[in-house]
Amino acid sequence: DAKTTQPPSMDCAEGRAANLPCNHSTISGNEYVYWYRQIHSQGPQYIIHGLKNNETNEMASLIITEDRKSSTLILPHATLRDTAVYYCIVRVGIGNTGKLIFGQGTTLQVKP
Amino acid sequence: GAVVSQHPSRVICKSGTSVKIECRSLDFQATTMFWYRQFPKKSLMLMATSNEGSKATYEQGVEKDKFLINHASLTLSTLTVTSAHPEDSSFYICSARPDGVQETQYFGPGTRLLVL
Repeated sequence: DAKTTQPPSMDCAEGRAANLPCNHSTISGNEYVYWYRQIHSQGPQYIIHGLKNNETNEMASLIITEDRKSSTLILPHATLRDTAVYYCIVRVGIGNTGKLIFGQGTTLQVKP
Repeated sequence: GAVVSQHPSRVICKSGTSVKIECRSLDFQATTMFWYRQFPKKSLMLMATSNEGSKATYEQGVEKDKFLINHASLTLSTLTVTSAHPEDSSFYICSARPDGVQETQYFGPGTRLLVL
């Protein structure tokens, strides 16, 4: 079973920041948090991942709380092309045995 | 970089036939690949972990004799749906973990299977 909880859907205005929350209260100390997104009928696209420090790349920022029980993905300037299902995933297992178990995700609708 | 391809992108077959889906890592080697399937409006469900040179590890409830996995090289894994039935119609997605980079996994574009 997935170890994360996300709201089923969110709306965001184009050009504004999209903040997608995720709860992972049972996360273990060495488990990473991953974010992927899936645009309709395509394979998931990697966005970002982190362990305990905040992370930023060209797509998004990941903010992880100090107790690591929740995190927020931030898309700084959402565009219509960011409309997708966003999955927050805690990888099950470590090293070569690790695997990604998907939950239900958040459907983000970016509106003009 | 980090491109994963799948072939075919879509396939229609008759009930009772077998269908093979290929997953290739184009610019990296991957000892470990994964197979997922996704039904309409549902999330991805992990079916199995494919390991080059050894048997695949199947998730609970997935029939290994129904979904045959072969990972014969460091860039290719295949999933064969044997004796396909309409209930096997689904979106099949593979992913690959680059060797030496345990934390990252890249997904293919998916294969849509329709069994008539």
